[in-house]
Amino acid sequence: AQTVTQSQPEMSVQEAETVTLSCTYDTSESDYYLFWYKQPPSRQMILVIRQEAYKQQNATENRFSVNFQKAAKSFSLKISDSQLGDAAMYFCAYRSYFGNEKLTFGTGTRLTIIP
Amino acid sequence: NAGVTQTPKFQVLKTGQSMTLQCAQDMNHEYMSWYRQDPGMGLRLIHYSVGAGITDQGEVPNGYNVSRSTTEDFPLRLLSAAPSQTSVYFCASSYWDRSTGELFFGEGSRLTVL
Repeated sequence: AQTVTQSQPEMSVQEAETVTLSCTYDTSESDYYLFWYKQPPSRQMILVIRQEAYKQQNATENRFSVNFQKAAKSFSLKISDSQLGDAAMYFCAYRSYFGNEKLTFGTGTRLTIIP
Repeated sequence: NAGVTQTPKFQVLKTGQSMTLQCAQDMNHEYMSWYRQDPGMGLRLIHYSVGAGITDQGEVPNGYNVSRSTTEDFPLRLLSAAPSQTSVYFCASSYWDRSTGELFFGEGSRLTVL
């Protein structure tokens, strides 16, 4: 079974600075997706960024980028120019390309933005 | 843009009562699922469905029942609520063709069992 580990329960960053959230995962599969979801106080789960395992290029979405290290099974999220609206719970998630399509989540990192 | 709609958003039950959490999606997604979110545990899969008439268990299925009679709807039933079922519940759906892998989530339903 796949597992996802987020070892940082809480992180904080000064507004306009850069912060990196860590995620590691364990799998024996070669084809899969990795995601970062954001959950603000509204409770809504919002997709931040997605990475397909077969792609060597790291995904980027505006101020959000990932460092995907397939061999190390590491998938960190970098947030540049942090903004107050980035304050939220961030979940790393794994989804197999095959099989029952289950999304496996980490336990989350709560990000605080310091004005 | 309705997307995935969950009702109710909040519910308080007494131990032993039954209720149904409703989930509907208008994106013609084949795959639908229910997760529960508890502090420090992330989201855990309860049940899922890959199409009308097909359902299967996830990690934490005990105490929950589901059915999928249409593509659009995937209700979650609590037959006899217990305090351990106090949680936030999310319905999520996606396409089956794995083109993006992304799950689309409803807004969540907070359930308290007294």
